[in-house]
Amino acid sequence: EDQVTQSPEALRLQEGESSSLNCSYTVSGLRGLFWYRQDPGKGPEFLFTLYSAGEEKEKERLKATLTKKESFLHITAPKPEDSATYLCAVHAKAAGNKLTFGGGTRVLVKP
Amino acid sequence: NAGVTQTPKFRILKIGQSMTLQCAQDMNHNYMYWYRQDPGMGLKLIYYSVGAGITDKGEVPNGYNVSRSTTEDFPLRLELAAPSQTSVYFCASSYSLRVRDTIYFGEGSWLTVV
Repeated sequence: EDQVTQSPEALRLQEGESSSLNCSYTVSGLRGLFWYRQDPGKGPEFLFTLYSAGEEKEKERLKATLTKKESFLHITAPKPEDSATYLCAVHAKAAGNKLTFGGGTRVLVKP
Repeated sequence: NAGVTQTPKFRILKIGQSMTLQCAQDMNHNYMYWYRQDPGMGLKLIYYSVGAGITDKGEVPNGYNVSRSTTEDFPLRLELAAPSQTSVYFCASSYSLRVRDTIYFGEGSWLTVV
């Protein structure tokens, strides 16, 4: 069975304090790994798709990387507006090409 | 751009009542999905549809029903509500199941069953 585990569950950062979120996965036939941002009271908002090990993608202060077993979302010099829950999901052939989500990491950036 | 629209935003149901969560998308997407999200848990797929008239079960379909009479609309029906159905429900859509087609989510419907 496909599994996606995110750690830590919650992260408190000072503004400017860089950190990384982890998403480890066990799936058969990974087609892609997704990162979403979710603000309180809102639906998930798409950030990145990573397709193969070694791939990296960046958007403003966020950088996502992928290995064969895990993905990292690096937040560089975060600002309070980066506070959100970050969700990881995998798209795998064995799951009928539907997304399997991790539990998310709640990030709070204090000024 | 409306995207994926869900109604209602909040609802309180009594045990045994029934209700329908409405979902509409204006992106001409073929695929639509219903997920539920419980605190600290990942989103779980309830049902999905690959087009008008075609629906299929996801991971957690028990206690729910869906229909897809048009491309735009994908309502989720809760029959005989139970406290275990207290959750946040998200409707989503995508053009296809291809990994390169982004899944877009609505803003969610908060349901409490008491």
